[in-house]
Amino acid sequence: DAKTTQPTSMDCAEGRAANLPCNHSTISGNEYVYWYRQIHSQGPQYIIHGLKNNETNEMASLIITEDRKSSTLILPHATLRDTAVYYCIVRVGGASGSARQLTFGSGTQLTVLP
Amino acid sequence: DTEVTQTPKHLVMGMTNKKSLKCEQHMGHRAMYWYKQKAKKPPELMFVYSYEKLSINESVPSRFSPECPNSSLLNLHLHALQPEDSALYLCASSHYFPSTGSRTEAFFGQGTRLTVV
Repeated sequence: DAKTTQPTSMDCAEGRAANLPCNHSTISGNEYVYWYRQIHSQGPQYIIHGLKNNETNEMASLIITEDRKSSTLILPHATLRDTAVYYCIVRVGGASGSARQLTFGSGTQLTVLP
Repeated sequence: DTEVTQTPKHLVMGMTNKKSLKCEQHMGHRAMYWYKQKAKKPPELMFVYSYEKLSINESVPSRFSPECPNSSLLNLHLHALQPEDSALYLCASSHYFPSTGSRTEAFFGQGTRLTVV
């Protein structure tokens, strides 16, 4: 699975959009970009994933560049409860029937400030 | 039900004790995982079970022994642990659909906070 690079930490004002970048320059054509977050002392939580098109759900939007070498997770109106470590993970989708693991990088500590 | 339930939430054990961590899900997922997370570090994969069979062991010491007695339950048996094994142990599950090639996202439990004294 491709390696990802994320900033160590970011701050965002409450109510503003939080834009979290991720570089994955070695991504392969069949690899998806996944985002998870982990609020302090809780289990990681799935946010969103995509292959090459931009994606949006009730939690966030995912913007993937045309060359797929980077992406941005957007939380449109950050709240204090969005303070967490955000992990960008690249992994193969589909493929064989065997279980596939998630390999977590260091992630970005997002702090939403009041 | 989209929950993965882990018990206990906290566990303190001595180095000579034998204990077990339990993980349960009722989403019909056939892949289940154990991760270990040290403080201020990302989760690290330990084991993967696929259709109740161990498919991945990430060179985990034998003092950690996983077990998947049925499709809903995953255990991690602990014996003769060291203080450095103190960590948050996370269970996760997901599912792969061979007919469509699609995969669900992984659902994580809230973890068991293990302290070895």
